Amino acid sequence: QSALTQPASVSGSPGQSITISCAGTSSDIGSYNLVSWYQQLPDKAPKLMIYEGSKRPSGVSLRFSGSKSGNTASLTISGLQAEDEGDYYCCSFAGTSIWVFGGGTKLTVL
Amino acid sequence: QAQLVESGGGVVQPGRSLRLSCEASGFIFGNYHMHWVRQAPGKGLEWVAVIWHDGLNKYYGNSMKGRFTISRDNSKNTLFLQMNSLRVEDTAVYFCAREEGYCNAGGCYGSAAFDSWGQGTPVTVSS
Repeated sequence: QSALTQPASVSGSPGQSITISCAGTSSDIGSYNLVSWYQQLPDKAPKLMIYEGSKRPSGVSLRFSGSKSGNTASLTISGLQAEDEGDYYCCSFAGTSIWVFGGGTKLTVL
Repeated sequence: QAQLVESGGGVVQPGRSLRLSCEASGFIFGNYHMHWVRQAPGKGLEWVAVIWHDGLNKYYGNSMKGRFTISRDNSKNTLFLQMNSLRVEDTAVYFCAREEGYCNAGGCYGSAAFDSWGQGTPVTVSS
């Protein structure tokens, strides 16, 4: 159950696009299309942004999109806004009803 | 709208026990798999445990096996986490979370994503 690997931080200017990567293994991301992404604002509970790799829950902006290639998943935020600033976590089902999170990425909007 | 409210956190000495609760409302509790996720101070999220919608199957993260027990009472819409032999490294905010899913004639299924979260209850293990 090793944690998924995310960059510690990313940054971008308003209006730009950024991508956060999430590297796993053939035992988790590579085996299942069950990656989810969460946004966590300071002192708040996480919020689901993407599930099953690329699906958006109702109410989540179209600016958020997810994808996967091999053992790596990605979250892209287009048209960056100041309100997007916060921490982002990926999570993958890893078989036998086990889940694993990434270490988190701090997004700064410049 | 789904709502989850955790309680039971506090300060406890190493080696002691604590029982967390999570009261659910706004949805049919018995139709959903439920999870506990924790977050140590200044750190990332860590998956703790899952219990299936009917309570028949339970799974744990490696560092929790043998010490933590997840359970639920569907008649009271409540999820529990019994934590024994607590360690300093168990200090964290503990969140309960609902796994997004659906039920049909064949049973209830999850999408492996957590679509509703409580506000969290803090647990501090310290001597």
